[in-house]
Amino acid sequence: DIVMTQIPLSSPVTLGQPASISCRSSQSLVHSDGNTYLSWLQQRPGQPPRLLIYNVSKRFSGVPDRFSGSGAGTDFTLKISRVEAEDVGVYYCMQATQFWTFGQGTKVEIK
Amino acid sequence: QLQLQESGPGLVKPSETLSLTCTVSGGSINSSNSYWVWIRQPPGKGLEWIGSIYYSGITYYNSSLKSRVTLSVDMSKNQFSLKLSSVTAADTSVYYCAKYEAGTQCAFDLWGQGTLVTVSP
Repeated sequence: DIVMTQIPLSSPVTLGQPASISCRSSQSLVHSDGNTYLSWLQQRPGQPPRLLIYNVSKRFSGVPDRFSGSGAGTDFTLKISRVEAEDVGVYYCMQATQFWTFGQGTKVEIK
Repeated sequence: QLQLQESGPGLVKPSETLSLTCTVSGGSINSSNSYWVWIRQPPGKGLEWIGSIYYSGITYYNSSLKSRVTLSVDMSKNQFSLKLSSVTAADTSVYYCAKYEAGTQCAFDLWGQGTLVTVSP
């Protein structure tokens, strides 16, 4: 099974400042079809998760452009260019290259 | 607008079978690019994929739960279901149903609100 590891597990951030979350997979996420099925989800307090980024770097419909994803192979990053109050929550990376596995989650909170 | 809604008992006794249903509204469960998924989240913890089912009945299960999980689809009711047998307190979680869009996003692009299931005598 592919294991997803996120760093850090907690990220206190000042409003208006950037935030970055790293996600590493235990093996390459490049699928045999050439695509990389790595996505990011946001879970606000008391809410179900929602999709932010898919296929490493594509923003899902309605997601603000302050969210961006990057990476390749086994190393991926989610960046928030300027954190807003509504961004508080837990962020998960998820791979869909070989079945489905989530990272442990990274809690983003305001300092 | 496609929506998902979980339903089922909120309390299950140890050693019994947990049964949940997800109703798909605003669209058809027999979409060619969609897999229907169950995910759970123990209180205060992270997300765990349980299993996925295609409308034709093809299933994929988390290896750690495979021996206890059964997924099924009822196209006549536009529903899919989860059965988890021999439950223990460790199975206490919020259970989410979700849609995996295989055609474009290849991600979980729609989630239900979730339902808390507590395993207790």
